Amino acid sequence: GAGVSQSPSNKVTEKGKDVELRCDPISGHTALYWYRQRLGQGLEFLIYFQGNSAPDKSGLPSDRFSAERTGESVSTLTIQRTQQEDSAVYLCASSRGATDTQYFGPGTRLTVL
Amino acid sequence: KQEVTQIPAALSVPEGENLVLNCSFTDSAIYNLQWFRQDPGKGLTSLLLIQSSQREQTSGRLNASLDKSSGRSTLYIAASQPGDSATYLCAVRVTGANNLFFGTGTRLTVIP
Repeated sequence: GAGVSQSPSNKVTEKGKDVELRCDPISGHTALYWYRQRLGQGLEFLIYFQGNSAPDKSGLPSDRFSAERTGESVSTLTIQRTQQEDSAVYLCASSRGATDTQYFGPGTRLTVL
Repeated sequence: KQEVTQIPAALSVPEGENLVLNCSFTDSAIYNLQWFRQDPGKGLTSLLLIQSSQREQTSGRLNASLDKSSGRSTLYIAASQPGDSATYLCAVRVTGANNLFFGTGTRLTVIP
């Protein structure tokens, strides 16, 4: 596709519910990244995919967070039993290779009430 | 852990001025450094990427420099325009790491 897309653009959920966030990377990009940006803070790395494998999950803040990637394309970030501190903009990025320029999607703004 | 700092946090300039944004990082073992702009409600747009072996990169009115030994990078914007108003983020990839370490950004306002 022309760029990285993410859905939904906005998600409001109640504390304790599960949410799924989707990322469609640029076609042919083997590397995919998830980041989180809390209000007034910098971007925090969550997880990195190379192909369908996730060799680096070091940024996932708790076991409530998980992600998968299929077909070396779409990725889904799942947050179980959401908490208010999970409220943030979740950004996805992809790159042709692991060390190339990262291209970002518009993000999903998650609000946990 | 790599720490990335951007100063100032916010900057307002009149249209037409040249300006410099600063970025500093604590670990000089970087693979590359990337400058992004972020517009409200939108994702990040990559502006310039400097490899660790390079000293600067230019794109149009933008020029980014890198001094790895001192842990500094600057983004120079010439002849600023109101359309340049955005938050500018500096991000560093550390050698051997997969992710980018981001600064908290400089919010630039160019006044017509």
